[in-house]
Amino acid sequence: AQTVTQSQPEMSVQEAETVTLSCTYDTSENNYYLFWYKQPPSRQMILVIRQEAYKQQNATENRFSVNFQKAAKSFSLKISDSQLGDTAMYFCAFMRGSGATNKLIFGTGTLLAVQP
Amino acid sequence: AAGVIQSPRHLIKEKRETATLKCYPIPRHDTVYWYQQGPGQDPQFLISFYEKMQSDKGSIPDRFSAQQFSDYHSELNMSSLELGDSALYFCASSHRDRDYEQYFGPGTRLTVT
Repeated sequence: AQTVTQSQPEMSVQEAETVTLSCTYDTSENNYYLFWYKQPPSRQMILVIRQEAYKQQNATENRFSVNFQKAAKSFSLKISDSQLGDTAMYFCAFMRGSGATNKLIFGTGTLLAVQP
Repeated sequence: AAGVIQSPRHLIKEKRETATLKCYPIPRHDTVYWYQQGPGQDPQFLISFYEKMQSDKGSIPDRFSAQQFSDYHSELNMSSLELGDSALYFCASSHRDRDYEQYFGPGTRLTVT
């Protein structure tokens, strides 16, 4: 079975600074996807970034980037130039590759607070 | 762009009552997923449907049932409600050609008293 672990329950960062959220996962699959979802106080689930396991290049979306280490089964999220609107719960998630069940398996989340 | 629609957004029920949650996927999406997020917890997969057939099942209680209709909307039926069923219920949808992209609805907050 696949598992996703987020070892940082809470983190805090000053506005405009950079913060990194950690995530590790366990799987025997070779084809899979990894995601970071943001859940602000509104509770809406918002996709931040996606990484395909077969791609060596780390995904980047504006101020958000990942450090994907496949051998180490590590998938961290870096938020640059943090903004107050980044305050939210961040969930790391795993999905098996196409052809298999596509349910998302989430970690327990990291609550990020951006301080002014 | 159209998003996933869930109704109702809030629902208050008493123990042992029944509840029906509805999900309308993004147009042309053929797959629907249901997730349950308890207070302070991460979302947990309940069940999914592809082309109106159940495609996967997670930790869904026997008291819950779901189906996907011909117009691809889905309903989650919950009977004999318990206090522990109080949670945020998300529906997500995707298209088979891009099944790694799940779009979440705003959720239905169910409170059981």
